[in-house]
Amino acid sequence: NAGVTQTPKFRVLKTGQSMTLLCAQDMNHEYMYWYRQDPGMGLRLIHYSVGEGTTAKGEVPDGYNVSRLKKQNFLLGLESAAPSQTSVYFCASRPGGTPGELFFGEGSRLTVL
Amino acid sequence: EDKVVQSPLSLVVHEGDTVTLNCSYEVTNFRSLLWYKQEKKAPTFLFMLTSSGIEKKSGRLSSILDKKELFSILNITATQTGDSAVYLCAPNGGTSYGKLTFGQGTILTVHP
Repeated sequence: NAGVTQTPKFRVLKTGQSMTLLCAQDMNHEYMYWYRQDPGMGLRLIHYSVGEGTTAKGEVPDGYNVSRLKKQNFLLGLESAAPSQTSVYFCASRPGGTPGELFFGEGSRLTVL
Repeated sequence: EDKVVQSPLSLVVHEGDTVTLNCSYEVTNFRSLLWYKQEKKAPTFLFMLTSSGIEKKSGRLSSILDKKELFSILNITATQTGDSAVYLCAPNGGTSYGKLTFGQGTILTVHP
């Protein structure tokens, strides 16, 4: 069972470069989330989606864009990477309706030089 | 605006001690509260609480919710070094349906 899969797991970028993180889930979940986590801090919500074709801003959306063209995929884009975006990014998903457990991917470590 | 505050931010104890971690929240349309444990990688699920006063228990860990006073506690008895982790709470609710915001976490360090 794959669950939630994030690619890539590691990436190094130069300032100003762009990239996309892909999150794929095979559990037919309605809700998907992107969080970032910096050293010594909790998870901060970047963007989330409550269904295919929908997205919404979280706590720290600036500098990121997202798309949910297919129910199973949630893409996080950085158009012009900045050193402040160096972080570990976690994707998560859960079924719609029931306010239950989140299922997390293993994380993607991004370094912006 | 929704708020989640965890305390203490960090805690250092010795094996065998009992610890209590706190999570207070101000969230409209509250539905549930989740507790997670995070070691090196992704958070792992501990508990989901929906009703006040009903303790959930798993081994040495237990948690309870108070919807009147808007807080939850996570207790760990007879701590072990393997309990060293960041503990995160997330109240589910808020003005935007589906939004799930975590607290800043409590860093627990258990020394032998």
